[in-house]
Amino acid sequence: KAGVTQTPRYLIKTRGQQVTLSCSPISGHRSVSWYQQTPGQGLQFLFEYFSETQRNKGNFPGRFSGRQFSNSRSEMNVSTLELGDSALYLCASSLAGVTGELFFGEGSRLTVL
Amino acid sequence: GENVEQHPSTLSVQEGDSAVIKCTYSDSASNYFPWYKQELGKRPQLIIDIRSNVGEKKDQRIAVTLNKTAKHFSLHITETQPEDSAVYFCAAPNDYKLSFGAGTTVTVRA
Repeated sequence: KAGVTQTPRYLIKTRGQQVTLSCSPISGHRSVSWYQQTPGQGLQFLFEYFSETQRNKGNFPGRFSGRQFSNSRSEMNVSTLELGDSALYLCASSLAGVTGELFFGEGSRLTVL
Repeated sequence: GENVEQHPSTLSVQEGDSAVIKCTYSDSASNYFPWYKQELGKRPQLIIDIRSNVGEKKDQRIAVTLNKTAKHFSLHITETQPEDSAVYFCAAPNDYKLSFGAGTTVTVRA
C-alpha cells in the first residue's frame, strides 16, 4: 500500500511569509502527527491529530497550527515565518496514535531566507 | 511533560563489535518505548519497540531492555555491520505527545 506522502518536498520562503504543508497518511490510519527536525534540536513534536481532533500540541508558538480533514489528510501552517523555522518537517501516520508504530513521510524541507 | 535524555550523542564502533545506546525518561506513566533508525537523507523507521509489561525484547541482532523502576531503556546492537551506521532515536509518549531523545549518530568502522 502507498506510504505517507508529504508535499511539497522542498520550498523556500522569506521572513514574514506563511507556508502550508500537506500530509496524506497511509490508508486506514486516522492518527497523524507532525515533527520539526533540525540538526541541533533533533525531532520535536508539533501536534497530533486523530479523527480531526488535535489531541496534543508541542511547545511551539501559536504561529504553528494544523488541522486534519475527514479523509485523515492533514495540513500544518506556519505564519509570519522566521529564519529559525528553517527545518525538515516530518509527518507520520499510525493506527494507534503515538503509542504505536509511526510511519513517516519523506518530509518537507523549508528554508526561510 | 515527558523529557527523554539519550546518550551518547555519537558512537563509533569497529565492525563486529556491539553498540549500546541508553535513554532515560521522566514520566512514570509512559508505557511504550520505540527506537527509530534514520539513515542519511532518509525518513526515520521503527526498528524495535517495547511495552512496559516486558523487560526485554530481541529481534535478530538488536534488542531493547527496559528498567521501569529506574526509568531507563537501552538499545543493544550486536555484531555491528556497516549498514547499522545511522542516527538512532529513542522516544517515549505522554498524553498523545511523543518526545524523542536527541539522537545518537552511530558509525561502524570497517
